Amino acid sequence: QSVLTQPPSVSGAPGQRVTISCTGSSSNIGAGYNVYWYQLLPGTAPRLLIHDNNNRPSGVPDRFSGSRSGTSASLAITGLQAEDEADYYCHSYDSSLSGPGVFGGGTKLTVL
Amino acid sequence: EVQLLESGGGSVQPGGSLRLSCAASGFTFTNYAMSWVRRAPGKGLEWVSVISVSGTNTYYADSVKGRFTISRDNSMNTVYLQMNSLRVEDTAVYFCVKFAEGYLLPFDYWGQGTLVTVSS
Repeated sequence: QSVLTQPPSVSGAPGQRVTISCTGSSSNIGAGYNVYWYQLLPGTAPRLLIHDNNNRPSGVPDRFSGSRSGTSASLAITGLQAEDEADYYCHSYDSSLSGPGVFGGGTKLTVL
Repeated sequence: EVQLLESGGGSVQPGGSLRLSCAASGFTFTNYAMSWVRRAPGKGLEWVSVISVSGTNTYYADSVKGRFTISRDNSMNTVYLQMNSLRVEDTAVYFCVKFAEGYLLPFDYWGQGTLVTVSS
C-alpha cells in the first residue's frame, strides 16, 4: 500500500475534464512538502507534468494543472484528448522516510 | 536536449546478477545527483537507489539494500546499478532519473527504461 493514495483508475470522454487525487498525511503533503506529477505513456520516457504543486515545465500544455490543499493534492486535465491516456503518479517528500520521497500508487486514465 | 539512455537489462535466474548502465547527455552531469526508479508489472513506481554528485554518498531502498550497488563515472557521464542476488520480485522496468537541481526533487528527466526479468 502506497503512502500516497491515488484512485486506481479514472476515465473521461474527449473534451471533458478529469481530476486525479493524491491523498497523503501530515508527514508528507500535509507537512507542506511540494507535490509533483508524472505521466507514463507506454513506450516513452516518463515525463514531469507538474512541479512544486502547480507549476508546469516548459512544453507541458496548460490543459494540465495541479493543486494542493491540506493533506491532499490533485491533478486536473481539461479538454481531454486521446493521447492523454496514460498512467499518472504523484510524488512528494515524506519526513518519516529516507530517500527521495514517496510515490502514489498510480492512476490509469482511460479516454473513452 | 537531455537524454538518459539505459542499457543492460535482460532475463536472469533468481540469484543471478545484472549491471545496468545509464548514459547521460545534454546537461552538466557533474552538477546533479542521479537515481534509479523501478516499476514492477502491475505495480507503482518505487525508488531504488540514489547517488550524490561526487559518488561519495549512496542511498538504497530497504528492498534492495545489501544486494544492489549504485555508482557513477563522471568522466563518462554514466551511472550504473549493479544488481546481485536478484529475486523474482526485482522484476521491473528500471528507469534512470535525474534530479531537477543538485539533489532536489523533482525528477525532471527520465530514461525510457530497461526491463529486468528474474525468473527460473
